[in-house]
Amino acid sequence: QVQLVESGGGLVKPGGSLRLSCAASGFTFSDYQMSWIRQAPGKGLEWISYITRSGNTIHNADSLKGRFTISMDNARNSLYLQMDSLRIEDTAVYYCARTLDAGKVDYWGQGTQVTVSS
Amino acid sequence: DIQMTQSPSSLSASVGDRVTITCRAGQSITNYLNWYQQKPGKAPKLLIYGASSLGSGVPSRFSGSGYGTDFALTISSLQPEDFATYYCQQSYSAPPWTFGQGTKVEIK
Repeated sequence: QVQLVESGGGLVKPGGSLRLSCAASGFTFSDYQMSWIRQAPGKGLEWISYITRSGNTIHNADSLKGRFTISMDNARNSLYLQMDSLRIEDTAVYYCARTLDAGKVDYWGQGTQVTVSS
Repeated sequence: DIQMTQSPSSLSASVGDRVTITCRAGQSITNYLNWYQQKPGKAPKLLIYGASSLGSGVPSRFSGSGYGTDFALTISSLQPEDFATYYCQQSYSAPPWTFGQGTKVEIK
């Protein structure tokens, strides 16, 4: 069965960095687009980054201002999110999401908590 | 960015009630509209895609309608497991796409 398992979250100080990973299994990873979507405490969903199956096309939310970088390793069936210059407002649960054509998510990971605090 | 506005933000309803949640887009998105259900502490689940197509394994009491800028999610007979927060999401523009702010369905 399809599984997406995020890791790498934790507590970090403002200005710090974290690298999130998402291990995919149960499907041919290289056949799918992937995304990162986050949810701040008590808030709604925010789509922050998207990468095509080839890895050649990436779209990021303007709100990130270039601080986050999405990447994928098809050989390792893994998706990554490098997060730099973290801010308090980046505190959220970060979900890895398998993204189908026409922009719908059919599978989500369980989420990993990122807390930015001094 | 295309703004998505849901209403109401929350509602109280009883088991067996018919419930409708609306979602309005800031511009026409034709039928590029998806609905998700999220329960506390869990990841969202795809309910409806393409405005009106039922997701895999989703009960038939859920239905979606609309085109252009105005959309609706209807639950024909609310069940105990349907108490959750519901989000609409547009996928018309280039990614990353936008969600509505959510509608929390609570027990009356």
